[in-house]
Amino acid sequence: QVQLVESGGGVVQPGRSLRLSCAASGFTFSTHSMHWVRQAPGKGLEWVAVISFDENNKYYADSLKGRFTISRDISKNTLYLQMDSLRAEDTAVYYCGRGGRSWNTEFDYWGQGTLVTVSS
Amino acid sequence: SYELTQPPSVSVSPGQTASISCSGDKLEDKYAYWYQQKPGQSPVLVIYLDTKRPSGIPERFSGSNSGNTATLTISGTQAMDEADYYCQAWDSNTAVFGGGTKLTVL
Repeated sequence: QVQLVESGGGVVQPGRSLRLSCAASGFTFSTHSMHWVRQAPGKGLEWVAVISFDENNKYYADSLKGRFTISRDISKNTLYLQMDSLRAEDTAVYYCGRGGRSWNTEFDYWGQGTLVTVSS
Repeated sequence: SYELTQPPSVSVSPGQTASISCSGDKLEDKYAYWYQQKPGQSPVLVIYLDTKRPSGIPERFSGSNSGNTATLTISGTQAMDEADYYCQAWDSNTAVFGGGTKLTVL
């Protein structure tokens, strides 16, 4: 069965960096686009970024202003999110989600999420 | 930037039909997706490509998309359907979520 397991969350000071990971299993990782979606405490869902199945396309939410970088390692079946210059407003649960072969489709499986808290 | 608007809350009695709307400019020109999220859990896809149900999603969930409004309909609503529901669409390489609707079954 499809499994997505996020890790790497924690408490980090403003201005510092953090890298999240999402370990995928139960499907052919190299044939699916992958996404990051976040949810601030008590708030709604906010899409963060997508990487295409072949890594040729990466798109980000405008609000991130180039601070985040999405990547994937096919050999490890793992998705990453490098987060730099973190701000208090980046505090959220970060979910990875599986997309289709095309990047602009539904998120059909989600991980359990990892909490990132940006605080001094 | 593109926006999707949902009512903050909808209430329905058990066994009745719940309708949750999602409004956006010319939304019918895009595909709408719907996700269910229960407290403390990850979102679950319940409708994709406007009207399609993933395997395992009960038939009482259905979707439509016309004009500027997509609608999630839950027929014969059950207590277990109480959750937050989010619509989503793609616009210019960006995924956009609605603000979410809290469905209360009472």
